[in-house]
Amino acid sequence: GAVVSQHPSRVICKSGTSVKIECRSLDFQATTMFWYRQFPKQSLMLMATSNEGSKATYEQGVEKDKFLINHASLTLSTLTVASAHPEDSSFYICSATSPNNYGYTFGSGTRLTVV
Amino acid sequence: GENVEQHPSTLSVQEGDSAVIKCTYSDSASNYFPWYKQELGKGPQLIIDIRSNVGEKKDQRIAVTLNKTAKHFSLHITETQPEDSAVYFCAASQRYGGSQGNLIFGKGTKLSVKP
Repeated sequence: GAVVSQHPSRVICKSGTSVKIECRSLDFQATTMFWYRQFPKQSLMLMATSNEGSKATYEQGVEKDKFLINHASLTLSTLTVASAHPEDSSFYICSATSPNNYGYTFGSGTRLTVV
Repeated sequence: GENVEQHPSTLSVQEGDSAVIKCTYSDSASNYFPWYKQELGKGPQLIIDIRSNVGEKKDQRIAVTLNKTAKHFSLHITETQPEDSAVYFCAASQRYGGSQGNLIFGKGTKLSVKP
């Protein structure tokens, strides 16, 4: 079945540094990628939607200059948390769809801790 | 936009009993309703889904029912086992043409199955 590989699974960084999270679709072309964040004991909240080759569409309240999304190819999307601060500590999850697959394929998530 | 309500937030059952989780949605245009199981520190795992042209779907111990008129859908797990313990999320989205829209999640149900 469809697989999305997400890396890294865990990252600890110092406040003020930037962190890049990658999601790769291994056996299908991900025309659309969704990025979510999840705080402890809460649901997944959509941050942004990106279509391959286009600028991402951000949800209300999500800073596009802080959460930089690149979806330059059909198999790779990245989320860069710029100048991370402790309040950005969270679980980030990507999800991909394609016209050939009915449904969504989720990555395994990235636990970001900013110290 | 779409809003998904999920109940209960926590559910404790004895091993072997059945568990039922219910969700309602607001947007009548939604036509895809997946259920996900999430274990601690991992991404969501699809356990079953249903499309709006079907009223019920079953896969071994898991079943989902959909009532389009009332705009609610339910997850049924029979013969529960301790390994079923996890957080379960319902979700809703629209599929139009070859594109899949945003997936809107319920707040989750923490299921505990006691041996």
